[in-house]
Amino acid sequence: QKEVEQNSGPLSVPEGAIASLNCTYSDRGSQSFFWYRQYSGKSPELIMSIYSNGDKEDGRFTAQLNKASQYVSLLIRDSQPSDSATYLCAANLGGGATNKLIFGTGTLLAVQP
Amino acid sequence: DADVTQTPRNRITKTGKRIMLECSQTKGHDRMYWYRQDPGLGLRLIYYSFDVKDINKGEISDGYSVSRQAQAKFSLSLESAIPNQTALYFCATSLGLDYGYTFGSGTRLTVV
Repeated sequence: QKEVEQNSGPLSVPEGAIASLNCTYSDRGSQSFFWYRQYSGKSPELIMSIYSNGDKEDGRFTAQLNKASQYVSLLIRDSQPSDSATYLCAANLGGGATNKLIFGTGTLLAVQP
Repeated sequence: DADVTQTPRNRITKTGKRIMLECSQTKGHDRMYWYRQDPGLGLRLIYYSFDVKDINKGEISDGYSVSRQAQAKFSLSLESAIPNQTALYFCATSLGLDYGYTFGSGTRLTVV
């Protein structure tokens, strides 16, 4: 089992719809979770972080964390063509002992105009 | 100017050559990392450093070495490049546990 797993996609949604991206992780001790957006050929850009169970909202983005089920999700409301990118989920596995992120392989999102 | 600068942006080199990728940062972060990204494999950690005297291997350090010349500089070397080291390489920095990473713009390396 991979430490951080994501469906590779592509996930195709129409413009204006809600895009839902999911991620599962293997280590119950993980404390910090991050969503990065990466455009093709560019570097990952941090868009959301979440540390506690529940929802965290920032503009059109909502991150959701469920530690009991070991999953993290990202919702993008009112999806725009400019949201088309690969979304990387990352977790700080090992809890407080280290600060190195383990990344999923990413989900490709395609927003259709 | 970018907070995390990688040089070169693109490089083509021959098998067996030694090559150095450089990373410098102006964020004042102690923690620096080198990752490589391959299609379908995602980002994989090569080496990381928490200060000038602290160097740690990541999951795929074979064939690579690093040097932390100063708090702001962290270089990655391929001692004898081979074609399967063709990848997109990213340097990243971090303030600490809960802050995530800031990535450099990447170096696209091709070994022929």
